[in-house]
This record gives sequence, structure tokens and C-alpha cells, in this order.
Amino acid sequence: KQEVTQIPAALSVPEGENLVLNCSFTDSAIYNLQWFRQDPGKGLTSLLLIQSSQREQTSGRLNASLDKSSGRSTLYIAASQPGDSATYLCAVREAGANNLFFGTGTRLTVIP
Amino acid sequence: NAGVTQTPKFQVLKTGQSMTLQCAQDMNHNSMYWYRQDPGMGLRLIYYSASEGTTDKGEVPNGYNVSRLNKREFSLRLESAAPSQTSVYFCASSADPKVTQYFGPGTRLLVL
Repeated sequence: KQEVTQIPAALSVPEGENLVLNCSFTDSAIYNLQWFRQDPGKGLTSLLLIQSSQREQTSGRLNASLDKSSGRSTLYIAASQPGDSATYLCAVREAGANNLFFGTGTRLTVIP
Repeated sequence: NAGVTQTPKFQVLKTGQSMTLQCAQDMNHNSMYWYRQDPGMGLRLIYYSASEGTTDKGEVPNGYNVSRLNKREFSLRLESAAPSQTSVYFCASSADPKVTQYFGPGTRLLVL
């Protein structure tokens, strides 16, 4: 069974710092990987989706990379802002399956 | 567009009671999903519907039933609620199973 791990569980940084969130998965036979943002008491918002054939995706200050062979993905946030404070979740879709397997998330706090 | 809507937002049940969680999407998506989110665990798929007229079990289907009423609506029913079903339930939809999923705001369920 696919297992997705996100370390650290929580992270606090001062405003303006660049930061990296990590995601690892146990089975490299994935179709794609997604990063989501979840604000307290709210649903999930999709940030980036990387297909298994891609190495990275960028959207504004966010850059997600994928190393399928090593089972790792990173989400890079440039010039962090207090509005970036949220929980960030990664999820993988296995090849041939409809399931998304989620990590437990990293709770990010950006301190003004 | 409202996106994905869920009702109710919050519900308290007694053990053994039944209830139906409602989900609707206005994005003309073919695929719809029900997840539960528990503290310390990633979101887990309960049931999904790849297209209108089809439903399939996910990772944790026991104690639940679903109905894909039409293309817009996908309901989740708890026939006899148990305290272990206390959770936050999220509905999601996507154009097809392999692309980005869009999530509703969630239903918080407490079973006493």
C-alpha cells in the first residue's frame, strides 16, 4: 500500500524567508503528484499537479519538483508571506488507480 | 460558480442514528469522491464515482453507502453511526480521475 510521509509536521519561519516542504512516497509507480493547501476549518485548494513524466511545475512563488525514482517531491515557497500560513498536503495517484493517497501535511506558520 | 458544495456544515449524531451527507458540483465534472480526514492521518478515500452511474469502494468503505444521484450530486449515507465515524468529511470532484480534484468545504460530524 502506498504510504506518503511529510516531514516536518510543523514549521515556523519569519516573513520573507524561502522554504522547502518535503514529501516522500513508498511506491514510485505513480501517475501524478499534487500539492494542496488547507486553511483551518476549510477544504483543500489545489496548488500544483506534476505528472509522472515531469520534473517540476511552477506557479508564482511556488515551485514543486518530483523525483519519482527516489520517491520524493519538494514544494519550494519563495519570499514567504503571512498569508502563506496554512497546512500543505501532498497526494499521489498511483498508475492505474483512481485513489489519491495523502500525506498528513506540514503546518506552516509565517511570522510577520 | 459555487464549485463543490456540501451540506450540512456540522452535525451531531447519537450512536445508531442515520444521516446522509449531501454534495453537489456545478463544474460538469464526471468524477466525484468522498474522503474522511482524521487527526494525525491523511485524507482517506471512502467511495468514489468515476462517472455518472458508477460507484466504487475506496480505502475505508465500511459503514458507508453512496448514491450518484445524477452528474451533479453524490451523497454519502451512514446507516448506523458509530463514534469511530466522528471525522471531517470532504467531497471532491474532477473532470476525470487523472486530473486535479476540487474540494468542498467539508462536513464536521460528531457521533456521541
